[in-house]
Amino acid sequence: EAQVTQNPRYLITVTGKKLTVTCSQNMNHEYMSWYRQDPGLGLRQIYYSMNVEVTDKGDVPEGYKVSRKEKRNFPLILESPSPNQTSLYFCASSPVQYTTDTQYFGPGTRLTVL
Amino acid sequence: GENVEQHPSTLSVQEGDSAVIKCTYSDSASNYFPWYKQELGKGPQLIIDIRSNVGEKKDQRIAVTLNKTAKHFSLHITETQPEDSAVYFCAASMGYSSASKIIFGSGTRLSIRP
Repeated sequence: EAQVTQNPRYLITVTGKKLTVTCSQNMNHEYMSWYRQDPGLGLRQIYYSMNVEVTDKGDVPEGYKVSRKEKRNFPLILESPSPNQTSLYFCASSPVQYTTDTQYFGPGTRLTVL
Repeated sequence: GENVEQHPSTLSVQEGDSAVIKCTYSDSASNYFPWYKQELGKGPQLIIDIRSNVGEKKDQRIAVTLNKTAKHFSLHITETQPEDSAVYFCAASMGYSSASKIIFGSGTRLSIRP
């Protein structure tokens, strides 16, 4: 089954404790992206990657890191989480083709930073 | 940078009536305008998209219109059904697909009254 998986789905942590949210896709997509969703603000792009070893900042990259060492994986790293990073996080992937464009989203990771 | 405004934030319509959601964008270089539907507890799902070289696109009960001069685009849902109840997001991208930097609107919660 074609899908984007995220782990963990729920995470409660404390300020300053480094964490990683994993994202994996099995569709051989070149493009992957991370978003955060907050009430009233919609989805905001954190980082995106057009291919292996290629990453770019989205709209709200501060406080986050990403890496793209393999095509299928795109982990989101919070080196020193703060309460304002409490949010619902989505990973997504897409082929990089002009005529075929569907961005597939993962199920989401709800993060609470105390 | 690009800014996308979406209205209304909530919309309630009688089953069978039409629903219209409107978005405006700020950067005239934007080329790609997708619409996503998000059901409770799930990630967003692409429902229709339009590129800057097209003024209107239709897919069964869903249509999108784009006015490049005014920098606004709209989602039209006709003959609404209970399963249309969800949160809808518009977005704008300077690429020709969502495989690039992308800015989302703040979302519209659509409720269909039986």
